[in-house]
Amino acid sequence: AIQLTQSPSSLSASVGDRVTITCRASQGISSALAWYQQKPGKAPKLLIYDASSLESGVPSRFSGSGSGTDFTLTISSLQPEDFATYYCQQFNSYPPMYTFGQGTKLEIK
Amino acid sequence: QVTLRESGPALVKPTQTLTLTCTFSGFSLSTSGMCVSWIRQPPGKALEWLALIDWDDDKYYSTSLKTRLTISKDTSKNQVVLTMTNMDPVDTATYYCARLRSNSGTFDYWGQGTLVTVSS
Repeated sequence: AIQLTQSPSSLSASVGDRVTITCRASQGISSALAWYQQKPGKAPKLLIYDASSLESGVPSRFSGSGSGTDFTLTISSLQPEDFATYYCQQFNSYPPMYTFGQGTKLEIK
Repeated sequence: QVTLRESGPALVKPTQTLTLTCTFSGFSLSTSGMCVSWIRQPPGKALEWLALIDWDDDKYYSTSLKTRLTISKDTSKNQVVLTMTNMDPVDTATYYCARLRSNSGTFDYWGQGTLVTVSS
């Protein structure tokens, strides 16, 4: 099974900072990767799909890149509402199988 | 407007069978390409995909849990049901249902989740 490893596991940053979170797949997955944001007590929210496509309604300060095994989520200028936990997720077309990374907790410095 | 809502017991005893229902609106699971999944999250831990059912009634399960899981749908009621047998305290988690975007591998709409605690 494909494993996803996110780094770092936690991160402290300030409002206005540029932040990058990395997700590495144990084998190549082309662009079959999504990113989600989760706030405490809430369901995850889709931010990025197909590695680099911004979900409708998501602020443009969020961007995704990568293909194969290495992917990044970048927040260009942190806003107070961005402090949350972020998960990457990959999918296998057939048989359908979905794997999440272990999460990156983004905290206020 | 797409919405999903999970329902089921908040507390189950070890060895019991858990039955959760996902009631959704804003789409039909009889539409080609539509799928609904169950995903869980133990307290303070990461998300774990459990099962998926598609518009054609094909069913797919997590390899590690497939012997304990059954997913089904009632298209007329817009519901998807997950059963998990032989519950254990390690199964304590928030259980989410989520819609899989058509012909995609991403979950675009999620329910709010339901916390299930396994304890005697």
